[in-house]
Amino acid sequence: KAGVTQTPRYLIKTRGQQVTLSCSPISGHRSVSWYQQTPGQGLQFLFEYFSETQRNKGNFPGRFSGRQFSNSRSEMNVSTLELGDSALYLCASSSLAGFGAVETQYFGPGTRLLVL
Amino acid sequence: AQSVTQPDIHITVSEGASLELRCNYSYGATPYLFWYVQSPGQGLQLLLKYFSGDTLVQGIKGFEAEFKRSQSSFNLRKPSVHWSDAAEYFCAGSDYGGSQGNLIFGKGTKLSVKP
Repeated sequence: KAGVTQTPRYLIKTRGQQVTLSCSPISGHRSVSWYQQTPGQGLQFLFEYFSETQRNKGNFPGRFSGRQFSNSRSEMNVSTLELGDSALYLCASSSLAGFGAVETQYFGPGTRLLVL
Repeated sequence: AQSVTQPDIHITVSEGASLELRCNYSYGATPYLFWYVQSPGQGLQLLLKYFSGDTLVQGIKGFEAEFKRSQSSFNLRKPSVHWSDAAEYFCAGSDYGGSQGNLIFGKGTKLSVKP
């Protein structure tokens, strides 16, 4: 069974630009969660999508958005990039939705975004 | 405000010794609690989770964690550490099991293992 795939793996953008990251979950998984990891703020939860609906959401500004397609693939978008958005962005897939129901999660390798 | 605290930034243990990583939470009700491990070779993995019921939960890789409401703690333990356990460990919590919730992570504890 193929694992969680994230594309691209590395990305360099400049301030003010926007970026779209993609996550393909494990086949059959309908929940995709997104996380941001930085040296300063550590790991932070962005949002979770299940069956094309946002289920849970972290405390990020509206510049961070996401969506999920009918094949469960998910994208996250960051508009008007800031230097502080430089981070490793991780996604995880799960068969069930919500923190209370997660049986296990499988994480992707992440996308490393550098904003100059 | 809800929070998850890992008091130890870095811990070093000898291979074969026992391990306990501390995690304290601040939530109004019993939260959903998780432990994750992140290593360069394996990426981020969910080790175990606590929702309710038995306060001692078993996870993967021989880890267990005990929920103690009176101490607001959810400490991770392993009876005998292997060199491959060297990694960073994160505790996380949420007070929502369904939707519209947030998951808050601690700052992490880096574990080094001495031969």
